[in-house]
Amino acid sequence: IAGITQAPTSQILAAGRRMTLRCTQDMRHNAMYWYRQDLGLGLRLIHYSNTAGTTGKGEVPDGYSVSRANTDDFPLTLASAVPSQTSVYFCASSDGQTDTQYFGPGTRLTVL
Amino acid sequence: RKEVEQDPGPFNVPEGATVAFNCTYSNSASQSFFWYRQDCRKEPKLLMSVYSSGNEDGRFTAQLNRASQYISLLIRDSKLSDSATYLCVVNLASGGSYIPTFGRGTSLIVHP
Repeated sequence: IAGITQAPTSQILAAGRRMTLRCTQDMRHNAMYWYRQDLGLGLRLIHYSNTAGTTGKGEVPDGYSVSRANTDDFPLTLASAVPSQTSVYFCASSDGQTDTQYFGPGTRLTVL
Repeated sequence: RKEVEQDPGPFNVPEGATVAFNCTYSNSASQSFFWYRQDCRKEPKLLMSVYSSGNEDGRFTAQLNRASQYISLLIRDSKLSDSATYLCVVNLASGGSYIPTFGRGTSLIVHP
């Protein structure tokens, strides 16, 4: 692995289903983030984690949960998907030195 | 009102032109400022950090004005390949942490 990866690349999901988006980084960054990007609204922060074992709510956390059991992984779970969660989801990580964020390639999620 | 504001554009300029974008932020206790570039359906990538004294990287110049709470990006001698969306990011103070907050992005189209 080089950098930050996300899976799946894209997914079509029925409303009401549970879904976990995966994010893994190999840069040993302490901080990780989940964003959603919608047309005209830019990137909005869903949840973040400043270090393993801690998480925090961003601007649009409702309907989403995260966990940070270790440094490398930061999964995002939709417990019961709704059509308004149709979006492109980006995971990012940053080091504590420069605060520069590095993004994964994104997951395109469609909820029908 | 969004905490980080950008003019969405699009800015439509000919090759060789100079173009400038501004980004305003609401929280004077903010730290760490960045410009990212995003190509269509791709992940954002760091263009440059913004330092208090201003900084330059080739044709790109970034400046920070803390008194007026804005950052700027100047692109000289525009190339066709500069066509993209430019996102400003401000780490806003929030409850003892600094939370990265994106503007909605400014679209640049450079034409022949």
